[in-house]
Amino acid sequence: EPEVTQTPSHQVTQMGQEVILRCVPISNHLYFYWYRQILGQKVEFLVSFYNNEISEKSEIFDDQFSVERPDGSNFTLKIRSTKLEDSAMYFCASRDGTGTDTQYFGPGTRLTVL
Amino acid sequence: AQSVTQPDIHITVSEGASLELRCNYSYGATPYLFWYVQSPGQGLQLLLKYFSGDTLVQGIKGFEAEFKRSQSSFNLRKPSVHWSDAAEYFCAVGRGSNYKLTFGKGTLLTVNP
Repeated sequence: EPEVTQTPSHQVTQMGQEVILRCVPISNHLYFYWYRQILGQKVEFLVSFYNNEISEKSEIFDDQFSVERPDGSNFTLKIRSTKLEDSAMYFCASRDGTGTDTQYFGPGTRLTVL
Repeated sequence: AQSVTQPDIHITVSEGASLELRCNYSYGATPYLFWYVQSPGQGLQLLLKYFSGDTLVQGIKGFEAEFKRSQSSFNLRKPSVHWSDAAEYFCAVGRGSNYKLTFGKGTLLTVNP
């Protein structure tokens, strides 16, 4: 069964550094999402992406965040200058958009900012 | 704005016992409702979903959920819990042009032998 994959599984970085979290969505999917879960809190929507542009973003998704689909398979989330409060689990999800509205999630990347 | 409430942070049941996990939502129209499960170190796996039609939906692993519009609820049930069901369960609501999901805080299920 096709699945969403994410790398790395765990990333440790120093405050102020840039990080790129990578996702490979399911191959025929058209809609892509990033969510995050701070320890002990809800899973929160960050951004949705369709047709090579952001379709919606939350207020969390400020200028420090960006997303990109650099080729036909990868979908990345970049945080330009990490803060301590960016420490969280980041989930990528994708949806095919052909009638089913189910989002399929990857295993997540745990980001730790020191 | 849409929101989801899962009133139970942690539930412990014995193996073989029945299970009900509660979920209440707030949404302006008929929502799309989902239950996801997360095992340690794993991603979010879809258990079941409700879009329309029959209000009792069947999912994987023997789970079912019932949509009750009058109570704004979408509770998850299983008649007999297995030790492998120990995990965290998330209820979510999503619709709109981007189908972004709004999650509840999750319910951690512990299964005693």
